[in-house]
Amino acid sequence: DQQVKQNSPSLSVQEGRISILNCDYTNSMFDYFLWYKKYPAEGPTFLISISSIKDKNEDGRFTVFLNKSAKHLSLHIVPSQPGDSAVYFCAASDQGGSEKLVFGKGTKLTVNP
Amino acid sequence: NAGVTQTPKFRILKIGQSMTLQCAQDMNHNYMYWYRQDPGMGLKLIYYSVGAGITDKGEVPNGYNVSRSTTEDFPLRLELAAPSQTSVYFCASSYGPPRYEQYFGPGTRLTVT
Repeated sequence: DQQVKQNSPSLSVQEGRISILNCDYTNSMFDYFLWYKKYPAEGPTFLISISSIKDKNEDGRFTVFLNKSAKHLSLHIVPSQPGDSAVYFCAASDQGGSEKLVFGKGTKLTVNP
Repeated sequence: NAGVTQTPKFRILKIGQSMTLQCAQDMNHNYMYWYRQDPGMGLKLIYYSVGAGITDKGEVPNGYNVSRSTTEDFPLRLELAAPSQTSVYFCASSYGPPRYEQYFGPGTRLTVT
């Protein structure tokens, strides 16, 4: 039973446009969410996070939006750059006691020059 | 800081052989984790540790063992390797709650034939 779902295996966008990556979760106990970026042959790199007490968190070109009622979060990258081409993983945690992250399967983003 | 280091980068094992995947971190993190990533899948937690001398099972612990004798090191032991253990293994570390970001090593690609 997948608790964190990334339903789009891949996404292709033009350089300079917006990339929107989506993530859904089923466990209502999750209250902290993270996005990781992974290049081939490297480990995942932490990108941005959001707590359930917020609905938006911004860091430079990256913004994460959280819709708790829909159990949905999204990562916006504006403007997209070719160097953003990577696999993006959504992860969730239960701040109430779990040290563990549950990861989605990832979305491969390709930014075309 | 080297961050999280893993050795070896690649390894081919024969069925039934054993090996230890090494992981070390120099960030003085209390929490350490082992994940595996199969093709097209997210990261699945094998084992984790919240401090020296304390370990616990994750989602997919069968066929693996861990120990945590120091804060810095968290080796993963594979006994009697099976083809189902062919995967990419990632070690990660974090400060622990309330900081949920995990920092990953570069991974070990293991093939069991």
